[in-house]
Amino acid sequence: GQSLEQPSEVTAVEGAIVQINCTYQTSGFYGLSWYQQHDGGAPTFLSYNALDGLEETGRFSSFLSRSDSYGYLLLQELQMKDSASYFCAVRSGGATNKLIFGTGTLLAVQP
Amino acid sequence: NAGVMQNPRHLVRRRGQEARLRCSPMKGHSHVYWYRQLPEEGLKFMVYLQKENIIDESGMPKERFSAEFPKEGPSILRIQQVVRGDSAAYFCASSRPARQGLLAEAFFGQGTRLTVV
Repeated sequence: GQSLEQPSEVTAVEGAIVQINCTYQTSGFYGLSWYQQHDGGAPTFLSYNALDGLEETGRFSSFLSRSDSYGYLLLQELQMKDSASYFCAVRSGGATNKLIFGTGTLLAVQP
Repeated sequence: NAGVMQNPRHLVRRRGQEARLRCSPMKGHSHVYWYRQLPEEGLKFMVYLQKENIIDESGMPKERFSAEFPKEGPSILRIQQVVRGDSAAYFCASSRPARQGLLAEAFFGQGTRLTVV
């Protein structure tokens, strides 16, 4: 089957660094994406990794290891507004290449 | 350039009624996804469509649920004879066609909150 696993909750303090992990199992793989969702609102795209390594976008970085079927999202200099749910997502490949999401990680940033 | 538009934002239906949820994709996007989300849970894939074609409906319940994306007009997710368990947020996303190794970022609408009473 196809699945993406993430920790359910992570807590950190303002100014800290936090890493949210994602392990996946899919029949095909065309890259790992990360999305942010505030309070049940519209999920918004954060980053995408098609190849192994680290991609940096401001305070956010994303890493991928295809051989380990593993990736993570790294958030630096945490701010209160970063409190949200974070989802990893993959395109499953195969006949339909649908976009499927992980279980989600709720990040709580404390003062 | 308007984003993904979903309506209504909130929908209340009595058990046994039909719920019809609409999604207009972003301009230039030919692919639409529907996801269901329960409180404190993830985005569960339901169906993946392109205009006039269902690409993948493996996440759709076999009964009462249907989806379409006609040549003209919005994509429609239809739930017949709703039950309390259908209460959830339903998100639509649109993208360009995905190609191997190329990003096909999905843009989401604000969702429709369905409440069955």
